[in-house]
Amino acid sequence: AQSVTQPDIHITVSEGASLELRCNYSYGATPYLFWYVQSPGQGLQLLLKYFSGDTLVQGIKGFEAEFKRSQSSFNLRKPSVHWSDAAEYFCAVGADGGATNKLIFGTGTLLAVQP
Amino acid sequence: DGGITQSPKYLFRKEGQNVTLSCEQNLNHDAMYWYRQDPGQGLRLIYYSQIVNDFQKGDIAEGYSVSREKKESFPLTVTSAQKNPTAFYLCASSIAVYRAVNYGYTFGSGTRLTVV
Repeated sequence: AQSVTQPDIHITVSEGASLELRCNYSYGATPYLFWYVQSPGQGLQLLLKYFSGDTLVQGIKGFEAEFKRSQSSFNLRKPSVHWSDAAEYFCAVGADGGATNKLIFGTGTLLAVQP
Repeated sequence: DGGITQSPKYLFRKEGQNVTLSCEQNLNHDAMYWYRQDPGQGLRLIYYSQIVNDFQKGDIAEGYSVSREKKESFPLTVTSAQKNPTAFYLCASSIAVYRAVNYGYTFGSGTRLTVV
């Protein structure tokens, strides 16, 4: 069965520092992969997605993610973090296998940004 | 602008009462979903619907019920049988269930339910 692991529950970075959030997935074939962001008390917003082609994917708000098949990873990165990036980030995997496709979400990584 | 509207944003109910959470979308999406979110547990699927008058149980359907009488609407009822109903509830939609993996979900802004 498909699964997603986000090893880091909570991460704190300084404003202006670089950021990498880890995501590992379990799926036999080429997965569809997503990163979402959730501000406190809000819904989830799609940051970026990957399902084929270039393994480096650009998203909104200056985020990017790299798909590495050999490591079963889809890590999210940002070169310089802004205070407004403080939020919870969810990685998700989707399986293209039929009429009952669903996204499987990780448990999230909470990002705090220090001034 | 198209989107998903969840109401109310905050809801308080006494233990033992049923409560219904509203979810409306104007995206013309066929599929709709309900998730429950608890701290440290990520998103857990309660119910989803692929089309009007059809819905399927998710991973934690016990104590919940849904209806899908209109394409735009997918209300969730939290019944008195739900042992621990206090949580943040998220509604989502996708173009179609089989296309969700291509386009992902669009989420509403959530309803925080507190049962006292």
